[in-house]
Amino acid sequence: DVHLVEAGGGLVQPGGSLRLSCAVSGFDIFNAGMSWVRQAPGKGLEWVGRIKSKGERGARDYAAPVKGRFTVSREDSKNMLYLQMDSLKTEDTAMYYCTTIGNSYGLFWGQGTLVTVSS
Amino acid sequence: QSALTQPPSASGSPGQSVTISCTGSSNDIGGYNYVSWYQQHPGKAPKLLTYEVHKRPSGVPDRFSGSKYGNTASLTVSGLQAEDEADYYCSSYSGSDFVVFGGGTKLTVL
Repeated sequence: DVHLVEAGGGLVQPGGSLRLSCAVSGFDIFNAGMSWVRQAPGKGLEWVGRIKSKGERGARDYAAPVKGRFTVSREDSKNMLYLQMDSLKTEDTAMYYCTTIGNSYGLFWGQGTLVTVSS
Repeated sequence: QSALTQPPSASGSPGQSVTISCTGSSNDIGGYNYVSWYQQHPGKAPKLLTYEVHKRPSGVPDRFSGSKYGNTASLTVSGLQAEDEADYYCSSYSGSDFVVFGGGTKLTVL
């Protein structure tokens, strides 16, 4: 069975930073592109950012609202995905999901970790 | 505002068929055969139902079918069951924007 488990969410003040992690088991992420998707309370899904496999030079793409503030990284030796979030804003409050969206669709998803940005 | 437009709600009785639409542009749905549909129950993670327009992952019933015509994609749920009551999201590859989602459709089984 494939499992993705996110961690690192919590309450943070505007302007603060948070680092999310995603532990993957059941398949080797070495050749997989991976993404973060978020969902604000009561709202729809929003793609946040993606990192391609090392074979594709680990290229990264970001949605406009987070570009320059968020960084996706990966540690293939540990089968881990990360999301570094800096200069957080209240509108970044959401459930953050780790998913196997590499090129277009996500077959596997974690259960999410909640990030709340509030003073 | 979402890049893809879905009706906020849809409904049907058990056994009936319901079709949910998802309208985009030539930059996303119309330009690529990379449309996906997800089902999300309250408090749960999204679940992939269809990908690359009409393909289904293993384990997804054939009651769920995807299609596309021009800039509009559709998800048809046949033989509605109580457990189909959920939120449904479309998504599409969108070139430089990578992946865009619809705003979601709440499906009610009457």
